[in-house]
Amino acid sequence: EVHLLESGGGLVQPGGSLRLSCVASGFIFNSNAMSWVRQAPGKGLEWVSGITGSGDRTYYTDSVRGRFTISRDNSKNTLYLHMNSLRVEDTAVYYCAKYQIGTQATTDCWGQGTLVTVSS
Amino acid sequence: QSALTQPASVSGSPGQSIAISCTGTSSDVGAYNYVSWYQQHPGKAPKLMIYDVSTRPSGVSNRFSGSKSGNTASLTISGLQAEDEADYYCSSYTSTSAPLFGGGTKVTVL
Repeated sequence: EVHLLESGGGLVQPGGSLRLSCVASGFIFNSNAMSWVRQAPGKGLEWVSGITGSGDRTYYTDSVRGRFTISRDNSKNTLYLHMNSLRVEDTAVYYCAKYQIGTQATTDCWGQGTLVTVSS
Repeated sequence: QSALTQPASVSGSPGQSIAISCTGTSSDVGAYNYVSWYQQHPGKAPKLMIYDVSTRPSGVSNRFSGSKSGNTASLTISGLQAEDEADYYCSSYTSTSAPLFGGGTKVTVL
């Protein structure tokens, strides 16, 4: 059974940094591209970033490009999101999501999410 | 790119059928047969219900079906049940590899 477990969320001041982690199990981790999707309180889903299975290519939504860095350690079955220069509008539940194998078109499994709150 | 357009809410009585629309552009929904639909219950993670416009993942009820015409995709729920009450989001692949989500539709079972 596929399982994704996020951690690392918390309360941080504007301008601060945070690193999210997502430990994966139940599938061959390096065979699947992965992504981070966030959901602000009471709002809809917003794709944040994606990374290929090998980690050689990364993608970002415009609002986080240059501030967030996605990476993965395939030896540890772990996905990361390094977040710098955090803003109040980055407050959200951050979900780790797995793409279907061989594609970056559909995420077929999501973790339970970790809450990031940016506030002074 | 702007989010895909979904109605804010749709409601129906048990046993009825409802449809949720998802409108994009010729650069996303109209360009690719990679439209997905997700169900999200309060406080829970999204669950994939439909992918590639009309394919159901294993374990998803056949009461859920998807279709697409031009720049608009649709999710139909037939035989509406109380457990179907949730938020539903559409998503489309785009040429930038950055998927677009819809704003979400709250389904209420009367």
